[in-house]
Amino acid sequence: GAVVSQHPSRVICKSGTSVKIECRSLDFQATTMFWYRQFPKKSLMLMATSNEGSKATYEQGVEKDKFLINHASLTLSTLTVTSAHPEDSSFYICSARDRDLSPLHFGNGTRLTVT
Amino acid sequence: GENVEQHPSTLSVQEGDSAVIKCTYSDSASNYFPWYKQELGKGPQLIIDIRSNVGEKKDQRIAVTLNKTAKHFSLHITETQPEDSAVYFCAAPTGAGSYQLTFGKGTKLSVIP
Repeated sequence: GAVVSQHPSRVICKSGTSVKIECRSLDFQATTMFWYRQFPKKSLMLMATSNEGSKATYEQGVEKDKFLINHASLTLSTLTVTSAHPEDSSFYICSARDRDLSPLHFGNGTRLTVT
Repeated sequence: GENVEQHPSTLSVQEGDSAVIKCTYSDSASNYFPWYKQELGKGPQLIIDIRSNVGEKKDQRIAVTLNKTAKHFSLHITETQPEDSAVYFCAAPTGAGSYQLTFGKGTKLSVIP
């Protein structure tokens, strides 16, 4: 049970372009999904909480106009990195749970490289 | 908010030996403590979790113990195997009633064949 699929696994883009990352809950409905960023050899840093049908809640220091989050359905949330720059290069991971008190399950992450 | 401290940051053990990773948390109201295993280039995978109404939980070679009084919980891996090599993260709820998790800084476990 509780599979979270994230796509793409790797993406390379040029500076100034935008990149969209998808996060899907395959066998459950997720009213809330979370987006994290992870730097090499570091822990997970929560970027934002994505709520189905409403605006995402961003953590302090995360630019909402830079990292656009859309949670259009109970099984899909997307993160769009707009006007990407090399410093946006990182490992982005989404997570979701099927009920409020159930365990949090993670996607396999997206390695973004901005050249 | 919650503060989670994890030790050690790196751990090397011989294959077959046991490994123990410890975490402390600050919010006495926290009631759920998961452990995640992250292999290189992949997302974290839940390996075991414990709720505050029990003191220990086992799943084959993996166990987690919880000491609510001292506010710490530990991951125990017995009979370690090379495939146990990974980064392990502990976590606790970010705040009372929060569905977010605060993660420890991770422990890189290396199992030497």
